[in-house]
Amino acid sequence: QLQLQESGPGLVKPSETLSLTCAVSGGSISSGYYYWGWVRQSPGKGLEWIGSVSYSGTTYYIPSIKSRLSISADTSKNQFSLSLSSVTAADTAVYYCVRDSGHFSIDYWGQGALVTVSS
Amino acid sequence: DVVMTQSPLSLPVTLGQPASISCRSSQSLVDSAGNTYLNWYQQRPGQSPRRLIYKVSIRDSGVPDRFSGSGSGTDFTLKISRVEAEDVGIYYCMQGTHWPGTFGQGTKVEIK
Repeated sequence: QLQLQESGPGLVKPSETLSLTCAVSGGSISSGYYYWGWVRQSPGKGLEWIGSVSYSGTTYYIPSIKSRLSISADTSKNQFSLSLSSVTAADTAVYYCVRDSGHFSIDYWGQGALVTVSS
Repeated sequence: DVVMTQSPLSLPVTLGQPASISCRSSQSLVDSAGNTYLNWYQQRPGQSPRRLIYKVSIRDSGVPDRFSGSGSGTDFTLKISRVEAEDVGIYYCMQGTHWPGTFGQGTKVEIK
């Protein structure tokens, strides 16, 4: 059974960088035609897909935060990561790492990591 | 971006009774190959979302058959034939036909 687990700081100061890692077990991120991505959930905006990295290494980012977002995969560690710079309170959310089996059909979710942006 | 609109946003249901959630998209979800990428997710209290249905009507493995999805074009429905206590939570539709994928606002199902 595939499992995804987020890790990273739960508190980030405004203007700093939010960094999260998703460790994948029970399967390899380099096998199959999958996309490994991030969905965030905030009270104000509900569920929002923000970006992903494909099986071929191509990245996709939502335009509204594209200039601040970076997603990368480390196949040797079977994990992928998110980096969101210049954060504000609007970036406060639960961040889920996910597997997308294509066309945004998200079949696996991590347990979620609450990240609060506050000084 | 495609806007997904769910209704109702709150749905009190009596145990054993049916429930129906509507999801409408701001544009057709049929792609050039004739496929429709509309998924339904369930989020139980304190849990991550879980996919119930993909491509409008295909149930995921382990999903009870009391859940069914239907619809076409811009109008879609999730039905629960007989609500059970474990069905309490928030249900989201999500379209994957147009980039980027977008979610509906969610419908909260609770027991009366």
